[in-house]
Amino acid sequence: DIQMTQSPSSLSASVGDRVTITCRASQDIANFLNWYQQKPGKAPKLLIYDASNLDTGVSSRFSGSGSGADFTFTISNLQPEDIGTYYCQQYDNLPLTFGGGTKVEIK
Amino acid sequence: QLQLQESGPGLVKPSETLSLTCTVSGGSISSSLYFWGWIRQPPGKGLEWIGSIYYSGITYYNPPLKSRVTTSVDTSKNQLSLRLSSVTAADTAVYYCARGDYGSGTSYFNFWGQGSLVTVSS
Repeated sequence: DIQMTQSPSSLSASVGDRVTITCRASQDIANFLNWYQQKPGKAPKLLIYDASNLDTGVSSRFSGSGSGADFTFTISNLQPEDIGTYYCQQYDNLPLTFGGGTKVEIK
Repeated sequence: QLQLQESGPGLVKPSETLSLTCTVSGGSISSSLYFWGWIRQPPGKGLEWIGSIYYSGITYYNPPLKSRVTTSVDTSKNQLSLRLSSVTAADTAVYYCARGDYGSGTSYFNFWGQGSLVTVSS
């Protein structure tokens, strides 16, 4: 199985800050990576697919980059509605696997 | 707008079979453009892929669960189902169904149900 390691596991930032989350795969997965946001008590929501493509209707404050084994997810201008947990997910190989999540809070 | 709704017992006894149904509205479950998946999340923990089923009927399961999982699609009811046998407390989780898009090298879940909490307890 491909292991997905996210860091940090949690972070606290101020409104307006730029937030960066990293996701490292245990092997090369090209750009076969998605990012999801999960708000408390809700289902995950797709934000970015193929490492850097914004899903329809998703705020441009969210962005993703990377390829191979190292990926970055960024929230620019953090807003209160961005609180939640963010997960990366690889689809290069089955089984599909998710990162452990990064919980984002507002200071 | 596509909507997915999981339903089923919220409490299952150990060693019994967990059964969930996902009703799809606002779109056809039999489209060849999409696939369907089940994902679960133990309380306070991360996401675990259970399995996926394609229009062709091909299924893929997460190896640790493969011997206990069955998924199927009922096109007449626009529903997909999940059965997980011989459950233990470790199977307590919120279970999500989701629709996946794929093609041209991409694959992602872009529509999710609200989730159904299943507790395994006697």
